[in-house]
Parts: sequence; C-alpha cells; structure tokens
Amino acid sequence: DGGITQSPKYLFRKEGQNVTLSCEQNLNHDAMYWYRQDPGQGLRLIYYSQIVNDFQKGDIAEGYSVSREKKESFPLTVTSAQKNPTAFYLCASRYTADTYEQYFGPGTRLTVT
Amino acid sequence: AQSVTQPDIHITVSEGASLELRCNYSYGATPYLFWYVQSPGQGLQLLLKYFSGDTLVQGIKGFEAEFKRSQSSFNLRKPSVHWSDAAEYFCAVGLNNNDMRFGAGTRLTVKP
Repeated sequence: DGGITQSPKYLFRKEGQNVTLSCEQNLNHDAMYWYRQDPGQGLRLIYYSQIVNDFQKGDIAEGYSVSREKKESFPLTVTSAQKNPTAFYLCASRYTADTYEQYFGPGTRLTVT
Repeated sequence: AQSVTQPDIHITVSEGASLELRCNYSYGATPYLFWYVQSPGQGLQLLLKYFSGDTLVQGIKGFEAEFKRSQSSFNLRKPSVHWSDAAEYFCAVGLNNNDMRFGAGTRLTVKP
C-alpha cells in the first residue's frame, strides 16, 4: 500500500535534547512538508522540500532542521533551540504536477519535559 | 492580511441533522480550495477540493462544498450527520507559490 509513515507515534524527550522525527513516503511524490499543530492554531509550516538536496524554511523554522537526501525521506530534527517543542507534528507529501493537494502521515506527538 | 478563517471553533449537531461549516479566505486571486478532516491523534484526510468549474463540489463521506467567489467562501455541508463524522475539520487554501494555508479548524461534536 502506498502512503506516508511517521515514526514513532509518541515521543518523549528531556529538555535540552535534540530529537529526530521520521517521515517516509512511497508515493513517489516530489515535495514533502513538515507542519506543527497546536490546539486552536491549525497547521503551521516548518519546512518544505520540492526536490532532493533542497529545502526551504516555512513560517516557523527556528529551532528546527531538516534534510532531504532521498526522495522518500524527509526527517525533521527538533533542536534544543526550539523554545516550545511539545506539539503534534505532521508530515505531508505532494506530487508537484498535481494541483497542490497534499497527503498527510498519521503524525508524531512529541512531549518535552 | 492573507488568511483563511473558520469562524466556528466548535459546533455541536444532533445525529441526523444537517451541517454547515464555514470557511472564508482573503487572497487576491481565486486559490485552490480544500477541506480536510482529522480524527483525534490522526493525520489529515482530504474530503474534497475545488480548482475551477462547477462551484458545487462533491467529496467523500457524503460531504459537499460550495465556492462563492462574491463572498470569498467555501463552506462545507452534509445533509445528515452521522456519529462517525465527529472530528476536526480544516479548510485550506493552495497558493500560487506551492504553499498551503490552513484555517484554525472547527471541531464537530455529534449528539446522539
């Protein structure tokens, strides 16, 4: 089955530690996205990548980093510089010849204490 | 400022009643428009989309939405709500620069 997988579903870390969230897709999509979701705020774009080895900052990139070494994979690292890292993180992908429709993974809930 | 507005944070309807969720956008050109649904702790699933043509679009799970250019709206409707429709609903706008903007969401509660 084609789709987007995010792992783990739940992640717990201590403050001051970096943590990497996994996102993999087998849809052969060109573009991949990371969003952060907080209650009552909808989705906010962290980073996106349209091709391998290239990515752009979204609206709230501070404290986050990404890489895109393979078309299928777009991991997100939440660094210790992110002031409020506890949130629900969603990965999405899109076939760029399509009209902007994005497909979403199941999400990772990160809790930092 | 460019934005997507969902005026209702939370809506409660009785099972079997009709539903309308509101969405307004403020972008210069007619953008691509989407409605997504999210069950608790899950990702987003696309319900329907509008790009051009017929302003009334049909989606999955019996949902439909109507684009009204004069009102900059793209409201989601369902004639008869089922208990399984309880979820959070997001309106989204696809912009020309390969960007998508989401509303803050409307949480739907369905009463038995």
